[in-house]
Amino acid sequence: ELKVEQNPLFLSMQEGKNYTIYCNYSTTSDRLYWYRQDPGKSLESLFVLLSNGAVKQEGRLMASLDTKARLSTLHITAAVHDLSATYFCAGATNSGNTPLVFGKGTRLSVIA
Amino acid sequence: KAGVTQTPRYLIKTRGQQVTLSCSPISGHRSVSWYQQTPGQGLQFLFEYFSETQRNKGNFPGRFSGRQFSNSRSEMNVSTLELGDSALYLCASSLLGALNTEAFFGQGTRLTVV
Repeated sequence: ELKVEQNPLFLSMQEGKNYTIYCNYSTTSDRLYWYRQDPGKSLESLFVLLSNGAVKQEGRLMASLDTKARLSTLHITAAVHDLSATYFCAGATNSGNTPLVFGKGTRLSVIA
Repeated sequence: KAGVTQTPRYLIKTRGQQVTLSCSPISGHRSVSWYQQTPGQGLQFLFEYFSETQRNKGNFPGRFSGRQFSNSRSEMNVSTLELGDSALYLCASSLLGALNTEAFFGQGTRLTVV
């Protein structure tokens, strides 16, 4: 059974600083997703990582996938207040059309 | 193009009642998945429907059920509501299924059971 663990679960960072959110998963995952959720809102898709070594960047966020280590990272560069949100990673196993398994989420707060 | 639409957005019910939530996927998407989100348990998978057939089911009691219509719209039903059913219910739409294609989420239905 696929398990997905994120850390940290809470992150308070100053504007302008860099930080990384980690997502470990327990078994082979065919692909890895990162989502953002603002309070009271739905999940917004950020990245879909399809293969080992995949790296994707959008603005101040960069996501990468290492399937051998079963690890994905979401790196935040020069944080700004607008990035304050909860970030989720999710994976799905290779066998059949299995549903997404989500991590607990990382609540990010960017302060001045 | 229109996104995933969930109705209603908010709902308050009393214990013992039943409730039906609706999800209209993105046009052309055939897979609809439902998730329950609570502060304690996070996002938990309820079930997935594809072409009117339930393809996957999570570990929820039989009080939780769903269906999908020929136009891909889906409904989920919760009978004999319990306080612990209070949650944000999210549906996700994808072309073929989460494993194969990206999933897009609706705004959710916030259910409060009193």
